[in-house]
Amino acid sequence: DSGVTQTPKHLITATGQRVTLRCSPRSGDLSVYWYQQSLDQGLQFLIQYYNGEERAKGNILERFSAQQFPDLHSELNLSSLELGDSALYFCASSASGGFETQYFGPGTRLLVL
Amino acid sequence: AQSVSQHNHHVILSEAASLELGCNYSYGGTVNLFWYVQYPGQHLQLLLKYFSGDPLVKGIKGFEAEFIKSKFSFNLRKPSVQWSDTAEYFCAVSSMDTGRRALTFGSGTRLQVQP
Repeated sequence: DSGVTQTPKHLITATGQRVTLRCSPRSGDLSVYWYQQSLDQGLQFLIQYYNGEERAKGNILERFSAQQFPDLHSELNLSSLELGDSALYFCASSASGGFETQYFGPGTRLLVL
Repeated sequence: AQSVSQHNHHVILSEAASLELGCNYSYGGTVNLFWYVQYPGQHLQLLLKYFSGDPLVKGIKGFEAEFIKSKFSFNLRKPSVQWSDTAEYFCAVSSMDTGRRALTFGSGTRLQVQP
């Protein structure tokens, strides 16, 4: 157990819908990263937050957004969902958002029908 | 942009065989290197990491990796695999020079260990 929690574990929804994925970092960690794992794209970085502020963006679609709240949990919002958004979404956390180890949560498996 | 290549996509070994998984990265500057493992149905777990110092890094569960800067490589090794090592292995890099703290992952190597 890495100490990073993610909810829900599984999510099934329809095209065009909007969903919210939630992540709680390890106790004391200030930075949260979101990654997407799909069969065709592999593991890709989406976005990073540090202490409530966006720090870096990766291959995140405009239909996707995220935020980090004062209690440091983070939410990833996916809207206008398409079949191709079906994937495993991982959250990771690190202590200060620098070049240290990232600890991964169990992931949320999203299936868009 | 940096990239990571894992040339072995699927490896099948018998128990007690030795393992070496290849990992090459494209960026020529200062990097941090990681190997993560994903057991079936589970999340990514850190096996080992290299930040600086001794290029031979020892990790958990008997794994080790060697950083060879001249070859841009960070290969993972284990002298004797067990059935419980069946999993997918990911090499990842973050770049000190570009300030990219997020990890760039390779495509993964699926290891199947037969009893």
